[in-house]
Amino acid sequence: NAGVTQTPKFQVLKTGQSMTLQCAQDMNHEYMSWYRQDPGMGLRLIHYSVGAGITDQGEVPNGYNVSRSTTEDFPLRLLSAAPSQTSVYFCASRGQGGTWEKLFFGSGTQLSVL
Amino acid sequence: KNEVEQSPQNLTAQEGEFITINCSYSVGISALHWLQQHPGGGIVSLFMLSSGKKKHGRLIATINIQEKHSSLHITASHPRDSAVYICAPLRETSGSRLTFGEGTQLTVNP
Repeated sequence: NAGVTQTPKFQVLKTGQSMTLQCAQDMNHEYMSWYRQDPGMGLRLIHYSVGAGITDQGEVPNGYNVSRSTTEDFPLRLLSAAPSQTSVYFCASRGQGGTWEKLFFGSGTQLSVL
Repeated sequence: KNEVEQSPQNLTAQEGEFITINCSYSVGISALHWLQQHPGGGIVSLFMLSSGKKKHGRLIATINIQEKHSSLHITASHPRDSAVYICAPLRETSGSRLTFGEGTQLTVNP
């Protein structure tokens, strides 16, 4: 099991550029989510999904899009990058039933928008 | 006021000391996660609990749902315990959504 694979680890963008952060899990988890982490603030939920074909907004969804075409993949798209999106991004997944106790996080993406 | 408050924000201890990190929350929850974020940035899930106490090695987590409070204890602390510890309540009414505390930076000196 690879767990949650998140790429890239680092990315520098110019204002207005678009990009996709990739997230994949091989644990057949239904719940997947994207967070951003900024200094002095806790992790904040951007978007989440409770299964293939189902997504919903979190606390800070503006400027980001997601889709969930398969159980395994949950990419996060930045449509037109802004300096306010400079942050560390984490993808996470969780099972249901007996396995839902543990959250699994990707290794994070450090994004800088110039 | 934040929905989740952790204390202390920073904690420095000597190796071997007993550590307590507290988490208070203002919303109704069904469960609470404790997470550990390593100096390199990776986040690991330590516990999920909905009542009482759980123990894993030198780590003990307790929760009182009625008092809206949870604690994480580390016995016989070690420099490798140095990390940020984050509590994350799971709201009763939010489905699968978590709210996160800002974290407690723990440094254990040899």
